[in-house]
Amino acid sequence: QVQLVQSGSEVKRPGSSVRVSCKASGGTFSGYPINWVRQAPGQGLEWMGAILPMFGSANYAQKFQDRVSLSADQSTSTAYMELSGLTSQDTAVYYCARATSVTSGLSAIPHNDAFDIWGQGTMVTVSS
Amino acid sequence: EIVLTQSPATLSLSPGERATLSCRASQSVISNNLAWYQQKPGQAPRLLISAASSRATGIPDRFSGSGSGTDFTLTVSRLEPEDFAVYFCQQYGTSPLTFGGGTKVEIK
Repeated sequence: QVQLVQSGSEVKRPGSSVRVSCKASGGTFSGYPINWVRQAPGQGLEWMGAILPMFGSANYAQKFQDRVSLSADQSTSTAYMELSGLTSQDTAVYYCARATSVTSGLSAIPHNDAFDIWGQGTMVTVSS
Repeated sequence: EIVLTQSPATLSLSPGERATLSCRASQSVISNNLAWYQQKPGQAPRLLISAASSRATGIPDRFSGSGSGTDFTLTVSRLEPEDFAVYFCQQYGTSPLTFGGGTKVEIK
């Protein structure tokens, strides 16, 4: 049974960057897109982007295109999300979530899919 | 981007009652790639339904999804105490992937 375990809570100053990790255990990692979703306190869910570890290729939501960087280390089955230029509006719980289906391998672009396995979430607080 | 509007925002029901949740898309969802998630306080979302009507592994059959195009519905046939939670729809047919604002199912 695949599990995604995320790094711990972070408190950051405005203008700084944060890096959240998401380690997969118990199953295949490389062939499934890993998505990143955030949820501000009391709010809904917002998709930030996805990475396909097999190729290291990523697809970003336009809103975050200039500030987010997704990466993955196949040797440790770990995905990373780095968000720069933090403001108070970035205070949220950040989730990684695995796509339901494995890539066909025909395209390096992470395919869109529902998310069947989620990390436990990482709280990022931006405060001066 | 595709905007998903969920209604009602809050649904007040008693255990044993039927819950009907709506999700309307601003444009047609490609291949009916619409999912439903359940989220409880302090927890990550849990996938219930994908492809509009396919139950995820381990999801009880009291949960069902239906609809196509722009109008989708999640039905819980008989609410159990553990079903009181927030439910989100998500479209994954078109990037950016988007979520609805959620429906809270609360105990009446």
